[in-house]
Amino acid sequence: EPEVTQTPSHQVTQMGQEVILRCVPISNHLYFYWYRQILGQKVEFLVSFYNNEISEKSEIFDDQFSVERPDGSNFTLKIRSTKLEDSAMYFCASSTEGAAYEQYFGPGTRLTVT
Amino acid sequence: AQSVAQPEDQVNVAEGNPLTVKCTYSVSGNPYLFWYVQYPNRGLQFLLKYITGDNLVKGSYGFEAEFNKSQTSFHLKKPSALVSDSALYFCAVRSPFGDTGFQKLVFGTGTRLLVSP
Repeated sequence: EPEVTQTPSHQVTQMGQEVILRCVPISNHLYFYWYRQILGQKVEFLVSFYNNEISEKSEIFDDQFSVERPDGSNFTLKIRSTKLEDSAMYFCASSTEGAAYEQYFGPGTRLTVT
Repeated sequence: AQSVAQPEDQVNVAEGNPLTVKCTYSVSGNPYLFWYVQYPNRGLQFLLKYITGDNLVKGSYGFEAEFNKSQTSFHLKKPSALVSDSALYFCAVRSPFGDTGFQKLVFGTGTRLLVSP
């Protein structure tokens, strides 16, 4: 069964550093998403991406964040200057076309900012 | 704005007994509703969804959920719990296509299910 994969599984970085989280969505999916889950809190939507552009973003997704689909298979989330409060589990998800279709999630990248 | 409430932080049930994990939602229009399960150190796994049609939907691993429009609820159920069902369960809602914010899933806070042998 196809799966969403994410690398790395755990990233430790110092405050102010840039990080790039990588995801490989399911190959025939058209919509891509990033969510995050701060420890002990609910899963929160960050951004959705379709047809090579951001289609929706939350208030969390400020200028420090960016997404890219550089090569037709990878989907990346970049945080330009990490803050302590960016420490969280970041989940990538993908879905086929349409709101009625479920999103399939990757295993997550745990980001720890020190 | 869409929202989901899971009123129970934890549900305890003995193996073999029926289980219910509660979820209520708030969304304008007809909702798209989902249940996901999260095992330790794993991502969210899709269990089932309600889009339209029969109010009782069946999903993976013997789970089912009942959509109740008048009570704005979408409770997850299983007739006979297994120890291996122990995990964190999330209810999520999505607005219909074209509505503001329709692309995102809005999750509840999660309910930990503990099934004892």
